[in-house]
Amino acid sequence: NAGVTQTPKFQVLKTGQSMTLQCAQDMNHNSMYWYRQDPGMGLRLIYYSASEGTTDKGEVPNGYNVSRLNKREFSLRLESAAPSQTSVYFCASSEGQGYSPLHFGNGTRLTVT
Amino acid sequence: GENVEQHPSTLSVQEGDSAVIKCTYSDSASNYFPWYKQELGKRPQLIIDIRSNVGEKKDQRIAVTLNKTAKHFSLHITETQPEDSAVYFCAASIYHQFYFGTGTSLTVIP
Repeated sequence: NAGVTQTPKFQVLKTGQSMTLQCAQDMNHNSMYWYRQDPGMGLRLIYYSASEGTTDKGEVPNGYNVSRLNKREFSLRLESAAPSQTSVYFCASSEGQGYSPLHFGNGTRLTVT
Repeated sequence: GENVEQHPSTLSVQEGDSAVIKCTYSDSASNYFPWYKQELGKRPQLIIDIRSNVGEKKDQRIAVTLNKTAKHFSLHITETQPEDSAVYFCAASIYHQFYFGTGTSLTVIP
């Protein structure tokens, strides 16, 4: 099992450009998440999908949109990138039932110039 | 929403000593508390977790304690080794959401 797979690993964008970060999990998990990680600020939740067909905002949703394409895939879209969105983005998944932990992907390092 | 505070932000210990990292949370409805270890350039990985109906859990050199009344939980690492050097994050989970502390950078000095 690959676990949680994110693409791309690195990306450089210019201000105003758009892009989609892809995430897929092969653990048959119900819940999927997008976090961003910035120095000194820990992991902050952007959006999550508790189950297929639902999405909800997290702590820092502004400037992002998500799509839960099916049970396996959860994408994050930046419509008009800004330098403040320079960060490392992690996708994660969880069984979503009871006391089940997050399993993280390897991350995408995004730089917006 | 839930607020998780983590201390200290940096911690240096001599090899073989113990390390303790403390976290507090604000929402009494939080019921699951995982701890993650993140090495430089890598993804966070679960090292231990505890449920709200348990006061302490141990796994070899790692232990976690939970005080629901005071809303705080702690990670204890005994007999530290250089490979324990990493950033450690606590988290509190409520209603499918996970809220993280800001991390503790642990350095184990050989």
